[in-house]
Amino acid sequence: SQQGEEDPQALSIQEGENATMNCSYKTSINNLQWYRQNSGRGLVHLILIRSNEREKHSGRLRVTLDTSKKSSSLLITASRAADTASYFCATDAVVTGGGNKLTFGTGTQLKVEL
Amino acid sequence: DTEVTQTPKHLVMGMTNKKSLKCEQHMGHRAMYWYKQKAKKPPELMFVYSYEKLSINESVPSRFSPECPNSSLLNLHLHALQPEDSALYLCASSQDIEGWTSDHNEQFFGPGTRLTVL
Repeated sequence: SQQGEEDPQALSIQEGENATMNCSYKTSINNLQWYRQNSGRGLVHLILIRSNEREKHSGRLRVTLDTSKKSSSLLITASRAADTASYFCATDAVVTGGGNKLTFGTGTQLKVEL
Repeated sequence: DTEVTQTPKHLVMGMTNKKSLKCEQHMGHRAMYWYKQKAKKPPELMFVYSYEKLSINESVPSRFSPECPNSSLLNLHLHALQPEDSALYLCASSQDIEGWTSDHNEQFFGPGTRLTVL
């Protein structure tokens, strides 16, 4: 079952504008991760925020986490056409037998127009 | 080398065929994963291997059979699939070292195999 719901489902902005995507989840987490997927291809890890962190930055990315509301947001500043992709949040649970289990949200399709 | 490779890129098979998907990584990761992704949907976890042992099977039908011959390779054997199994199959890997913090739970994904079942 899907853990997270993301909104908006789709977002269209102009180059140079900021894009904000929101993710809500249902259960306790170890950490929350954001991934990007270009059309029909593999996913690329963007950023990981631990459950005891509230905000994290990486280049043009800013992620917030509110565990009391079970929600996270991803902000991309000064967007570029190359940022056009689908963005997924994923909650992370450690597996007893090893590895970690990612449960992905529904995703936001971002289109950045020139 | 921070790459996960998958072969083939595309696969078309009939419902009576047997085929295999292959995944390889040389990052020294000890956890490997298979995901299934339908169009416009998020990836869904199928299997997790840790140190070459199956640690999660997400109630996947037996027509999908995973295999981890060594720490660098992961296979997915397919037999008697249904048209609804058509999807993008993604392989991923991650570090899996006891005692490490959750900062090392990033998963590296391959480009996927686009499977069509006729």
